[in-house]
Amino acid sequence: KNQVEQSPQSLIILEGKNCTLQCNYTVSPFSNLRWYKQDTGRGPVSLTIMTFSENTKSNGRYTATLDADTKQSSLHITASQLSDSASYICVVGGATNKLIFGTGTLLAVQP
Amino acid sequence: DTGVSQDPRHKITKRGQNVTFRCDPISEHNRLYWYRQTLGQGPEFLTYFQNEAQLEKSRLLSDRFSAERPKGSFSTLEIQRTEQGDSAMYLCASSPRLDRYNEQFFGPGTRLTVL
Repeated sequence: KNQVEQSPQSLIILEGKNCTLQCNYTVSPFSNLRWYKQDTGRGPVSLTIMTFSENTKSNGRYTATLDADTKQSSLHITASQLSDSASYICVVGGATNKLIFGTGTLLAVQP
Repeated sequence: DTGVSQDPRHKITKRGQNVTFRCDPISEHNRLYWYRQTLGQGPEFLTYFQNEAQLEKSRLLSDRFSAERPKGSFSTLEIQRTEQGDSAMYLCASSPRLDRYNEQFFGPGTRLTVL
């Protein structure tokens, strides 16, 4: 069964600290992996997209890694800001246009 | 604003009523997707259009749900005889014709509450 699992479910960190979110997937065939940021009550916004041949991609303070062999990805957030408080969703694209979403990690950045 | 737009943003209805949501994709994006998201979960795929053709529908899309994209531009999602279990955020996304990653751009969603 195609699944995307994320950990932790929720995380609280202090402003300015770094954090790393994890994603494991069992999607086959695999096309790409993306991380989305979703603010409460809003639609998801793409942060990074990687194919199987890419093992790292950065977008400002966000850095995603991908290990296609172990089917794991991580999203590292550097020097967190209050505006980083959101749900971060790992999404895997399979062979067709369909995307398989994880349940997300809810991040709260506190002052 | 040239992003994906959805209308209405919020809808409260009584059980048994029909509701219709609209999605306007990014101009010239030929692919359009509908998703449903319940609290604490990731979005779940409902249906997908390429131009005006509905190419795929999820099992989640029961007979009470119908989606259209008559001119290959905007799309509507109608739910007939709404049930409390239909309460969710309904998200629309679009993607361009030629895109290596099939990147999908999401709208802000329509929050449906069925009383």
